[in-house]
Amino acid sequence: DAGVTQSPTHLIKTRGQQVTLRCSPKSGHDTVSWYQQALGQGPQFIFQYYEEEERQRGNFPDRFSGHQFPNYSSELNVNALLLGDSALYLCASTLAFEPGEQYFGPGTRLTVT
Amino acid sequence: GIQVEQSPPDLILQEGANSTLRCNFSDSVNNLQWFHQNPWGQLINLFYIPSGTKQNGRLSATTVATERYSLLYISSSQTTDSGVYFCAVEPDTGRRALTFGSGTRLQVQP
Repeated sequence: DAGVTQSPTHLIKTRGQQVTLRCSPKSGHDTVSWYQQALGQGPQFIFQYYEEEERQRGNFPDRFSGHQFPNYSSELNVNALLLGDSALYLCASTLAFEPGEQYFGPGTRLTVT
Repeated sequence: GIQVEQSPPDLILQEGANSTLRCNFSDSVNNLQWFHQNPWGQLINLFYIPSGTKQNGRLSATTVATERYSLLYISSSQTTDSGVYFCAVEPDTGRRALTFGSGTRLQVQP
């Protein structure tokens, strides 16, 4: 049973560029959430996707956008990168309407220079 | 939104010691999870415990939902227990977004 996977593992970008991160949920899960974790802090909720639509969103600007595909995998896109976007980006998967724990992928570490 | 507070922020133990980590939350929750974040950033699921008590080896957890707190107990600590421990909750809104505390950084010394 494959767990949550993310790619790439590490990424270095320049200010102003755009980046796309990818996530495949745990087998059987239909909901994918993205989190940003800055150094020394807890993860912060960015947004959540279910049935290919954004279901809810945290306090992040429109530069952060996403997509969910019919196979439940998801992408996180960040436009016009800022130095402050440097962080660990985590993807979590779960079932939308059943109680139970959420599972996280290993993360993508993004460095913006 | 819901607030999650963890204490203590930092903890240094000698190998073999016991410890208790606390998580307070400000509103009703559907889900409460404890995670251990390893040095590479991976969040490892420890407990899914919206209420009650669970044990897994040297670790156990208790959530008292009516009083809005949860405790994580680590007994006979080992150096491999070092890392950051996070408590995360889902508010009782039907939306499955986790709010994390700021974590407890545990260092177990040999």
